[in-house]
Amino acid sequence: EAQVTQNPRYLITVTGKKLTVTCSQNMNHEYMSWYRQDPGLGLRQIYYSMNVEVTDKGDVPEGYKVSRKEKRNFPLILESPSPNQTSLYFCASSSPGADEKLFFGSGTQLSVL
Amino acid sequence: QQQVKQSPQSLIVQKGGISIINCAYENTAFDYFPWYQQFPGKGPALLIAIRPDVSEKKEGRFTISFNKSAKQFSLHIMDSQPGDSATYFCAATWNYGQNFVFGPGTRLSVLP
Repeated sequence: EAQVTQNPRYLITVTGKKLTVTCSQNMNHEYMSWYRQDPGLGLRQIYYSMNVEVTDKGDVPEGYKVSRKEKRNFPLILESPSPNQTSLYFCASSSPGADEKLFFGSGTQLSVL
Repeated sequence: QQQVKQSPQSLIVQKGGISIINCAYENTAFDYFPWYQQFPGKGPALLIAIRPDVSEKKEGRFTISFNKSAKQFSLHIMDSQPGDSATYFCAATWNYGQNFVFGPGTRLSVLP
């Protein structure tokens, strides 16, 4: 089954404790991206990657890091989480050469205390 | 310039009624306008999409109307059903889908 898999589904942490949210896709998509969803603000792009070793900032990249060492994986790293990073996070992938349809994961609800 | 505005924020419709959600944009570089549907606890999923060279696209009960000169597009859900209750996001992309901008979302409730 074609899917984007995020882990964990829920995460509670404390300020300053480094964490990683993993994302993996099995569709051989070149493009992967991370979004955060906040009430009244919709989905805002954090980082995106057009291919292996190619990443770029989205609209709200501050406080986040990403890496793309393999085509299927695109982890999101919060090196020093702060309470304003409490949000619902989504990973997505697509194959821009085919169409612009984004496939989303099921989301990671992060709470930073 | 990169914003997509969406209204209303929430919408309540009776079963069988028509749901209408409106979006507006400024950036003329946008070349693809999708709508995503999100159920609670799930990620958004593509519902229907349109390109700016077409004024209307219909898929079943869902229709996008696109007005290029006014830089507006809207989603119409005909014969709305309780199963349509979800949050709907309009979006716009450019650069072959490399960059996406989403509207703030509309929470639709269809009463039985």
